[in-house]
Amino acid sequence: GAGVSQSPSNKVTEKGKDVELRCDPISGHTALYWYRQSLGQGLEFLIYFQGNSAPDKSGLPSDRFSAERTGGSVSTLTIQRTQQEDSAVYLCASSLSGGAGETQYFGPGTRLLVL
Amino acid sequence: SQQGEEDPQALSIQEGENATMNCSYKTSINNLQWYRQNSGRGLVHLILIRSNEREKHSGRLRVTLDTSKKSSSLLITASRAADTASYFCATSNRDDKIIFGKGTRLHILP
Repeated sequence: GAGVSQSPSNKVTEKGKDVELRCDPISGHTALYWYRQSLGQGLEFLIYFQGNSAPDKSGLPSDRFSAERTGGSVSTLTIQRTQQEDSAVYLCASSLSGGAGETQYFGPGTRLLVL
Repeated sequence: SQQGEEDPQALSIQEGENATMNCSYKTSINNLQWYRQNSGRGLVHLILIRSNEREKHSGRLRVTLDTSKKSSSLLITASRAADTASYFCATSNRDDKIIFGKGTRLHILP
Protein backbone atom coordinates (compact mmCIF):
# COMPACT_ATOMS: atom_id res chain seq x y z
CA GLY A 1 0.00 0.00 0.00
CA ALA A 2 0.96 3.64 -0.33
CA GLY A 3 3.08 5.19 2.36
CA VAL A 4 2.88 8.67 3.84
CA SER A 5 3.08 11.34 1.18
CA GLN A 6 3.88 15.00 1.53
CA SER A 7 3.65 17.94 -0.82
CA PRO A 8 5.33 19.94 -2.03
CA SER A 9 8.75 18.27 -1.89
CA ASN A 10 10.45 21.63 -1.86
CA LYS A 11 9.15 25.11 -1.23
CA VAL A 12 10.97 28.40 -1.62
CA THR A 13 9.18 31.46 -0.32
CA GLU A 14 9.88 35.02 0.59
CA LYS A 15 9.97 36.24 4.14
CA GLY A 16 6.53 37.35 5.26
CA LYS A 17 4.57 35.06 2.96
CA ASP A 18 2.28 32.28 4.16
CA VAL A 19 2.92 28.64 3.23
CA GLU A 20 0.83 25.49 3.41
CA LEU A 21 2.35 22.04 3.68
CA ARG A 22 0.29 18.94 3.06
CA CYS A 23 0.46 15.44 4.49
CA ASP A 24 -1.44 12.35 3.37
CA PRO A 25 -1.08 9.65 6.01
CA ILE A 26 -1.31 5.92 5.47
CA SER A 27 -4.93 4.92 5.01
CA GLY A 28 -6.43 3.71 8.27
CA HIS A 29 -3.84 5.36 10.51
CA THR A 30 -5.58 7.42 13.15
CA ALA A 31 -2.51 9.20 14.53
CA LEU A 32 -0.64 11.90 12.63
CA TYR A 33 2.45 13.85 13.69
CA TRP A 34 4.29 16.88 12.38
CA TYR A 35 7.99 17.44 13.08
CA ARG A 36 10.52 20.04 12.08
CA GLN A 37 14.16 19.26 11.43
CA SER A 38 16.72 21.98 11.02
CA LEU A 39 19.94 21.23 9.15
CA GLY A 40 21.97 18.59 10.94
CA GLN A 41 19.63 18.53 13.91
CA GLY A 42 17.19 16.08 15.43
CA LEU A 43 13.45 16.11 15.08
CA GLU A 44 11.47 18.80 16.86
CA PHE A 45 7.92 17.75 17.68
CA LEU A 46 5.30 20.24 16.48
CA ILE A 47 1.79 18.80 16.73
CA TYR A 48 -0.01 15.48 17.11
CA PHE A 49 -3.49 14.43 15.99
CA GLN A 50 -5.21 11.33 17.32
CA GLY A 51 -8.63 10.43 15.97
CA ASN A 52 -11.26 12.95 16.99
CA SER A 53 -9.41 14.11 20.08
CA ALA A 54 -8.19 17.67 20.45
CA PRO A 55 -4.70 17.88 18.93
CA ASP A 56 -1.59 18.19 21.07
CA LYS A 57 -0.21 21.53 19.95
CA SER A 58 2.43 21.77 22.64
CA GLY A 59 5.32 21.77 20.16
CA LEU A 60 4.21 24.62 17.92
CA PRO A 61 6.92 27.29 18.25
CA SER A 62 4.66 30.33 17.79
CA ASP A 63 1.13 31.37 16.91
CA ARG A 64 2.27 31.72 13.30
CA PHE A 65 2.11 27.93 13.11
CA SER A 66 -1.17 26.05 12.87
CA ALA A 67 -2.35 22.71 11.59
CA GLU A 68 -5.60 21.07 10.64
CA ARG A 69 -6.62 17.52 9.95
CA THR A 70 -9.77 17.21 7.89
CA GLY A 71 -11.93 14.13 8.10
CA GLY A 72 -9.33 12.31 10.14
CA SER A 73 -7.08 11.94 7.13
CA VAL A 74 -5.19 14.66 5.26
CA SER A 75 -3.41 17.29 7.33
CA THR A 76 -2.22 20.76 6.44
CA LEU A 77 0.48 22.65 8.34
CA THR A 78 0.27 26.39 7.80
CA ILE A 79 3.02 28.85 8.59
CA GLN A 80 1.97 32.48 8.45
CA ARG A 81 4.31 35.41 7.88
CA THR A 82 7.28 33.10 7.37
CA GLN A 83 10.65 34.00 8.85
CA GLN A 84 14.11 32.87 7.76
CA GLU A 85 14.42 30.73 10.90
CA ASP A 86 11.42 28.71 9.67
CA SER A 87 13.68 27.21 6.98
CA ALA A 88 13.86 23.49 7.70
CA VAL A 89 12.58 20.12 6.58
CA TYR A 90 9.03 19.51 7.79
CA LEU A 91 8.30 15.84 8.33
CA CYS A 92 4.94 14.18 8.74
CA ALA A 93 4.42 10.74 10.23
CA SER A 94 1.45 8.52 10.90
CA SER A 95 0.85 5.52 13.09
CA LEU A 96 -1.96 3.03 13.39
CA SER A 97 -3.49 4.13 16.66
CA GLY A 98 -1.02 6.49 18.31
CA GLY A 99 -0.20 4.18 21.19
CA ALA A 100 2.80 4.96 23.35
CA GLY A 101 5.94 4.22 21.41
CA GLU A 102 4.09 2.84 18.42
CA THR A 103 6.13 2.73 15.20
CA GLN A 104 5.74 5.88 13.16
CA TYR A 105 5.85 5.86 9.38
CA PHE A 106 7.39 8.96 7.91
CA GLY A 107 6.79 10.83 4.71
CA PRO A 108 9.70 12.14 2.62
CA GLY A 109 9.33 15.63 4.05
CA THR A 110 8.95 19.12 2.65
CA ARG A 111 12.13 21.19 2.47
CA LEU A 112 11.18 24.81 3.15
CA LEU A 113 13.51 27.67 2.36
CA VAL A 114 12.54 31.18 3.41
CA LEU A 115 14.54 33.86 1.64
CA SER B 1 12.67 16.10 29.23
CA GLN B 2 13.34 12.50 28.37
CA GLN B 3 15.10 13.34 25.13
CA GLY B 4 17.51 10.73 23.93
CA GLU B 5 21.01 11.88 23.18
CA GLU B 6 23.13 9.92 20.71
CA ASP B 7 26.84 9.45 20.94
CA PRO B 8 28.97 9.95 18.94
CA GLN B 9 27.55 12.78 16.87
CA ALA B 10 29.43 11.48 13.85
CA LEU B 11 31.20 8.23 13.05
CA SER B 12 33.27 7.13 10.06
CA ILE B 13 34.33 3.51 9.66
CA GLN B 14 35.63 1.24 6.93
CA GLU B 15 33.19 -0.95 5.06
CA GLY B 16 32.98 -4.35 6.71
CA GLU B 17 33.69 -3.05 10.21
CA ASN B 18 31.11 -2.91 12.97
CA ALA B 19 29.49 0.39 13.94
CA THR B 20 28.30 1.11 17.45
CA MET B 21 26.12 4.05 18.41
CA ASN B 22 24.89 4.90 21.87
CA CYS B 23 21.83 6.65 23.21
CA SER B 24 21.30 8.04 26.69
CA TYR B 25 18.05 9.33 28.11
CA LYS B 26 16.90 11.00 31.29
CA THR B 27 13.64 9.57 32.59
CA SER B 28 12.00 6.15 32.75
CA ILE B 29 10.68 4.78 29.50
CA ASN B 30 8.22 2.22 28.17
CA ASN B 31 10.27 1.48 25.10
CA LEU B 32 13.03 2.79 22.90
CA GLN B 33 13.20 2.78 19.13
CA TRP B 34 15.96 3.30 16.59
CA TYR B 35 15.30 5.00 13.27
CA ARG B 36 17.46 5.61 10.20
CA GLN B 37 17.36 8.69 7.99
CA ASN B 38 18.93 8.92 4.56
CA SER B 39 19.77 12.27 2.97
CA GLY B 40 17.73 14.41 5.36
CA ARG B 41 14.44 12.89 4.31
CA GLY B 42 11.91 10.65 6.05
CA LEU B 43 12.91 8.34 8.84
CA VAL B 44 12.61 4.59 8.65
CA HIS B 45 11.90 2.51 11.71
CA LEU B 46 14.60 -0.07 12.44
CA ILE B 47 13.86 -1.75 15.73
CA LEU B 48 11.94 -1.33 18.99
CA ILE B 49 13.08 -2.61 22.36
CA ARG B 50 10.78 -2.61 25.37
CA SER B 51 11.83 -1.58 28.83
CA ASN B 52 11.72 -5.18 30.07
CA GLU B 53 14.02 -6.40 27.30
CA ARG B 54 17.80 -6.27 27.42
CA GLU B 55 18.80 -7.21 23.91
CA LYS B 56 17.18 -7.56 20.53
CA HIS B 57 18.40 -8.61 17.09
CA SER B 58 17.20 -7.87 13.59
CA GLY B 59 19.41 -9.00 10.74
CA ARG B 60 22.74 -7.19 11.11
CA LEU B 61 21.34 -4.97 13.85
CA ARG B 62 21.77 -5.61 17.55
CA VAL B 63 20.20 -3.33 20.13
CA THR B 64 20.84 -3.41 23.85
CA LEU B 65 19.02 -1.58 26.61
CA ASP B 66 20.29 -0.90 30.11
CA THR B 67 17.51 0.77 32.06
CA SER B 68 19.70 1.12 35.16
CA LYS B 69 22.11 3.29 33.17
CA LYS B 70 19.34 4.79 31.03
CA SER B 71 21.22 3.93 27.89
CA SER B 72 20.91 1.91 24.71
CA SER B 73 23.31 0.91 22.00
CA LEU B 74 22.82 0.08 18.34
CA LEU B 75 25.37 -2.20 16.73
CA ILE B 76 25.52 -2.63 12.97
CA THR B 77 27.71 -5.57 12.03
CA ALA B 78 29.61 -6.00 8.76
CA SER B 79 28.79 -2.46 7.65
CA ARG B 80 27.98 -1.67 4.04
CA ALA B 81 28.05 1.54 2.03
CA ALA B 82 24.25 1.58 2.10
CA ASP B 83 24.36 1.90 5.89
CA THR B 84 25.61 5.48 5.49
CA ALA B 85 22.85 7.52 7.13
CA SER B 86 21.85 9.29 10.32
CA TYR B 87 20.59 7.13 13.14
CA PHE B 88 18.18 8.38 15.80
CA CYS B 89 16.98 6.89 19.03
CA ALA B 90 13.46 7.72 20.17
CA THR B 91 12.05 7.18 23.63
CA SER B 92 8.52 7.09 24.95
CA ASN B 93 6.88 6.62 28.30
CA ARG B 94 3.18 6.45 29.08
CA ASP B 95 2.53 9.54 26.97
CA ASP B 96 1.83 9.12 23.30
CA LYS B 97 4.67 11.34 22.18
CA ILE B 98 7.96 9.94 20.98
CA ILE B 99 10.99 12.10 21.70
CA PHE B 100 13.83 11.91 19.21
CA GLY B 101 17.50 12.55 19.87
CA LYS B 102 19.77 14.59 17.61
CA GLY B 103 21.18 11.57 15.86
CA THR B 104 24.50 10.02 14.93
CA ARG B 105 25.77 10.59 11.39
CA LEU B 106 27.36 7.36 10.21
CA HIS B 107 29.62 7.33 7.17
CA ILE B 108 30.85 4.05 5.74
CA LEU B 109 34.13 4.43 3.86
CA PRO B 110 34.72 2.22 0.80
